[in-house]
Amino acid sequence: ETGVTQSPTHLIKTRGQQVTLRCSSQSGHNTVSWYQQALGQGPQFIFQYYREEENGRGNFPPRFSGLQFPNYSSELNVNALELDDSALYLCASSFSGTSGGMETQYFGPGTRLLVL
Amino acid sequence: DQQVKQNSPSLSVQEGRISILNCDYTNSMFDYFLWYKKYPAEGPTFLISISSIKDKNEDGRFTVFLNKSAKHLSLHIVPSQPGDSAVYFCAAKPNTGNQFYFGTGTSLTVIP
Repeated sequence: ETGVTQSPTHLIKTRGQQVTLRCSSQSGHNTVSWYQQALGQGPQFIFQYYREEENGRGNFPPRFSGLQFPNYSSELNVNALELDDSALYLCASSFSGTSGGMETQYFGPGTRLLVL
Repeated sequence: DQQVKQNSPSLSVQEGRISILNCDYTNSMFDYFLWYKKYPAEGPTFLISISSIKDKNEDGRFTVFLNKSAKHLSLHIVPSQPGDSAVYFCAAKPNTGNQFYFGTGTSLTVIP
């Protein structure tokens, strides 16, 4: 069974640039959630994708967007990067039998983004 | 607004003793709770979960207790081992929606 993988592991960008982060979900999982974890904080929910559609969103501006592909892998795109976007970005996959439920999320190792 | 709170940023315990990590929540709509362990440079690893219909769930050395009236859950690790040293996050999910809410974490150090 393949776990959740993310790429790249580290990334440095400058303010105003755009970034794309990638996530491959665990085999058998159909749902992907993205989180932002700032230093000293817990993960903050950005959004979730299920069946290639956004299926819930946290308190993040529209410049945070995503995609889910037919193989359930996913991308997180952030436009117009700001210094406060510097964080660890975590992807978590799960299996949803419906659009919600008590599924357990399994996390990838994360992408550490630094915005200068 | 932090709906899930872990008020102890750190905890040190002697090897072989019990570790008790605490978590409080404010949203009465939360009905599913999880604990994750995180090592440096790794993503959080699922540890144990509990639904609101139970007040206790046990898995080996790990037991989670849920007190719905107090909106409090705790993770007990018995006996504690040096390999348990990590940051522990509690998370909660409401009965509607898909968002998991995480606490800020407690760093556990098990001293050999």
